Amino acid sequence: EIVLTQSPGTLCLSPGERATLSCRASQSVPSSYLAWYQQSPGQAPRLLIYGASSRATGIPDRFSGSGSGTEFTLTISRLEPEDFAVYYCQQYGSSLTFGGGTKVEIK
Amino acid sequence: EVQLLESGGGLVQPGGSLRLSCAASGFTFSQYAMHWVRQAPGKGLQYVSGISSNGGSTHYANSVKGRFTISRDNSKTTLYLQMGSLRADDMAFYYCAREGLTYSFGADAFDIWGQGTMVTVSS
Repeated sequence: EIVLTQSPGTLCLSPGERATLSCRASQSVPSSYLAWYQQSPGQAPRLLIYGASSRATGIPDRFSGSGSGTEFTLTISRLEPEDFAVYYCQQYGSSLTFGGGTKVEIK
Repeated sequence: EVQLLESGGGLVQPGGSLRLSCAASGFTFSQYAMHWVRQAPGKGLQYVSGISSNGGSTHYANSVKGRFTISRDNSKTTLYLQMGSLRADDMAFYYCAREGLTYSFGADAFDIWGQGTMVTVSS
């Protein structure tokens, strides 16, 4: 099973700042089958990025994904108030697993 | 509007059984693989199980294998999760989710999620 480790656990930033979230896999993720989800309090997860770097329908271009192999990154170029949430990575290249999440909170 | 609506959650005693349902609408249900993901209160997401579009293939997390059974009724556009031998660590919100690509299974991310149903395991 591929284990995904997200860092940092919590990111404290101000609106307008840039956020960089990391997702490291215990082995290479086949075909860059890596997704990112956003979960706001009391809400279901929402798909942001699939295939490591493709934005899902309706996702603003301030969200971008990059990486391959075992190292992946989600970048939020300028944080908006609604972006303060928990973010999860997921790999679907070998079975399906989620990372433990990164909480982006207001500084 | 594309929508998934879970139901069937509730309080069950350890060792008991429960069946969750996920009613789909707004898309051609029979073309998409479907999955269950759970989240214990205050914890992260955990994959539970998935089923291919025609129901011919299924997949389970090791933690539920042999205790849970996933199924679907394409004529009723409904996904099910039959849960048995329930334990305290099964207590969670259970979400159903749609795999994004038609006729794929385990090859795409989850683009549509329901709002979840809570399963509480307690005596």
